Amino acid sequence: DAGVIQSPRHEVTEMGQEVTLRCKPISGHNSLFWYRQTMMRGLELLIYFNNNVPIDDSGMPEDRFSAKMPNASFSTLKIQPSEPRDSAVYFCASRPTTGGAGTQYFGPGTRLLVL
Amino acid sequence: QQQVKQSPQSLIVQKGGISIINCAYENTAFDYFPWYQQFPGKGPALLIAIRPDVSEKKEGRFTISFNKSAKQFSLHIMDSQPGDSATYFCAASTYNTDKLIFGTGTRLQVFP
Repeated sequence: DAGVIQSPRHEVTEMGQEVTLRCKPISGHNSLFWYRQTMMRGLELLIYFNNNVPIDDSGMPEDRFSAKMPNASFSTLKIQPSEPRDSAVYFCASRPTTGGAGTQYFGPGTRLLVL
Repeated sequence: QQQVKQSPQSLIVQKGGISIINCAYENTAFDYFPWYQQFPGKGPALLIAIRPDVSEKKEGRFTISFNKSAKQFSLHIMDSQPGDSATYFCAASTYNTDKLIFGTGTRLQVFP
C-alpha cells in the first residue's frame, strides 16, 4: 500500500520564483496536513484540510503561501514569491477517517532551498 | 497554553542503556499524547501513543509513562540500540480534533 507521496523531493530555486509542492495522500484518508520543519522552529502546522475543505490555515506564515486541495487525492502548497527564509523541509501528512489526531501518516518531505 | 515542552534537546546513550525523554504540557483539554520517531531524510512516523486514563503504556522496548496531575509524560526506550538513533517528538491533541501540537524534538544517538 503506497504511503503519502510528495513531489518534488528536492527543490532549489532563486528568490522571487514561484514554488509549487505537491502531495498525494493515502487513499481513503479524509484529512490532509501541510507542515514545515526547520532547525529553529521545529515542526509547524501550516494548514489542514478535512474532506478537501481548508479548516485551519492559521499557521500559514503570510500571503505568499497558499494551499489547495481540488480533490481527495491531490493537494498543492504554493509559495509566490519565494524568499530564502522559506528554505525548509515541507511535509504532507494524511489521516484516516477513523482514529484520533495522532494517527497521521507523513510523507517523505520536500527539501526546499531558496537562494 | 498550547505549547508542549520537550527535553532534553539531545541525548547520547550507550547501547543497552535506557533513553528517557520528557514532555510537559499546560492545556488540560489535551487527551491524546502520541510520540513520533523521525530518521534522517524521512518523515516522522507514529511510534506509540497514550490517553490519560492510563498511567503507562508499553510496546516492546518503548514505554510511555503519564502523570496527569503533573501534566507530564515521558518516553522510555529500554535496551537502547544503535538503530534507535533518531529524533523523537512528543505531541498532544484533543482526541476529536485534527491538530497536533508537537514538542521541539530530541535527537537521540545510541553508540555501540
